[in-house]
Amino acid sequence: AQSVTQLGSHVSVSEGALVLLRCNYSSSVPPYLFWYVQYPNQGLQLLLKYTSAATLVKGINGFEAEFKKSETSFHLTKPSAHMSDAAEYFCAVSFSGSARQLTFGSGTQLTVLP
Amino acid sequence: NAGVTQTPKFQVLKTGQSMTLQCAQDMNHEYMSWYRQDPGMGLRLIHYSVGAGITDQGEVPNGYNVSRSTTEDFPLRLLSAAPSQTSVYFCASRPGHLNSPLHFGNGTRLTVT
Repeated sequence: AQSVTQLGSHVSVSEGALVLLRCNYSSSVPPYLFWYVQYPNQGLQLLLKYTSAATLVKGINGFEAEFKKSETSFHLTKPSAHMSDAAEYFCAVSFSGSARQLTFGSGTQLTVLP
Repeated sequence: NAGVTQTPKFQVLKTGQSMTLQCAQDMNHEYMSWYRQDPGMGLRLIHYSVGAGITDQGEVPNGYNVSRSTTEDFPLRLLSAAPSQTSVYFCASRPGHLNSPLHFGNGTRLTVT
């Protein structure tokens, strides 16, 4: 079955440290991949998306993600965390033949420590 | 553009009551969908629509109905509310292409007592 997994429901980093949020998918065909961010009491906003043009994708707010087909991964990174990055992050995948449905991971809550 | 608008923002229901969550988008998007968000479970798809007059079930459709009479509107109806339907509900839309990102509303927080 096709699925998406986010490792770590909670991640804490110090301000200025590297942010790494992990996402793996299971599919024999590379899907379309997205990262969304959710701030408290708000809907989800798109951070970035992979659509097979380039394996390293740059998004908003200094985030980027690298698609690795051999590892079926699409991890999200940011070189230097800022307090304003504290939020919940969701990896989402559109699988081929899924009738346009988007499957979300369970989310990772990022805490940034001063 | 207002984007995706959901009403109400908050709602409390008693078990057995019915209600409709409203969703409207002004971006002429073909695709609209409803998700519920529960702690530790991410977002789960309830129902979706690929165009006016066309709806289909998602992962967790039981207890919910939808209709799509216009491109703009996609209401979600709870037929007989149950405590298990306590959740945050998000409506989202996007253009027709599979690689287009979803645009989300700000959610409706529903409590069923």
